[in-house]
Amino acid sequence: EAGVAQSPRYKIIEKRQSVAFWCNPISGHATLYWYQQILGQGPKLLIQFQNNGVVDDSQLPKDRFSAERLKGVDSTLKIQPAKLEDSAVYLCASSLYSWDGYQETQYFGPGTRLLVL
Amino acid sequence: GENVEQHPSTLSVQEGDSAVIKCTYSDSASNYFPWYKQELGKRPQLIIDIRSNVGEKKDQRIAVTLNKTAKHFSLHITETQPEDSAVYFCAASIPGSGGGADGLTFGKGTHLIIQP
Repeated sequence: EAGVAQSPRYKIIEKRQSVAFWCNPISGHATLYWYQQILGQGPKLLIQFQNNGVVDDSQLPKDRFSAERLKGVDSTLKIQPAKLEDSAVYLCASSLYSWDGYQETQYFGPGTRLLVL
Repeated sequence: GENVEQHPSTLSVQEGDSAVIKCTYSDSASNYFPWYKQELGKRPQLIIDIRSNVGEKKDQRIAVTLNKTAKHFSLHITETQPEDSAVYFCAASIPGSGGGADGLTFGKGTHLIIQP
């Protein structure tokens, strides 16, 4: 079974520039997540999609971050304008929908390593 | 929201010995507790998980225990091997308010070092 795909794998930009990340989840996975992992810390949830609808974006800095999941499959995460503190690994994960309230296993992609100079 | 604390931040054990990593969570509604292993530059990979209706789960050398009353859960690795060296993250999830389940809240990680 193919895993979660992400691109690009690495990105270097200057502050105030914009950047976009792409994620293709595992086929059939209705739920998609974007996490931010700063060096030395655990992943932090930015946004959760259920099909093409947003379930939780409470920790997404909406003044500069945006995300969409058109057609309920692929997703893009955008940062505009980027700040130095946005340097991190951006992880995409997907899971089956939880029908019983228990989280289904989340499978992570390889991540996009962003460096903002 | 949910808060997950993880200890220790670094753990060094001799090869063949056991390692224990502990986590506490704040939201009593949390019902799912996975453990992920992350090697340097790699993606987090699930190694074991437990639901709140179970007190203990074991998979070969790895086990997880859950104490709902105290709101803490632990990862136990026996007969440690060099390939166990990595960063381990605990996490917790609560049922979604509109159905389904919320995303994971992670601890800060434990760097496990296996000394030969």
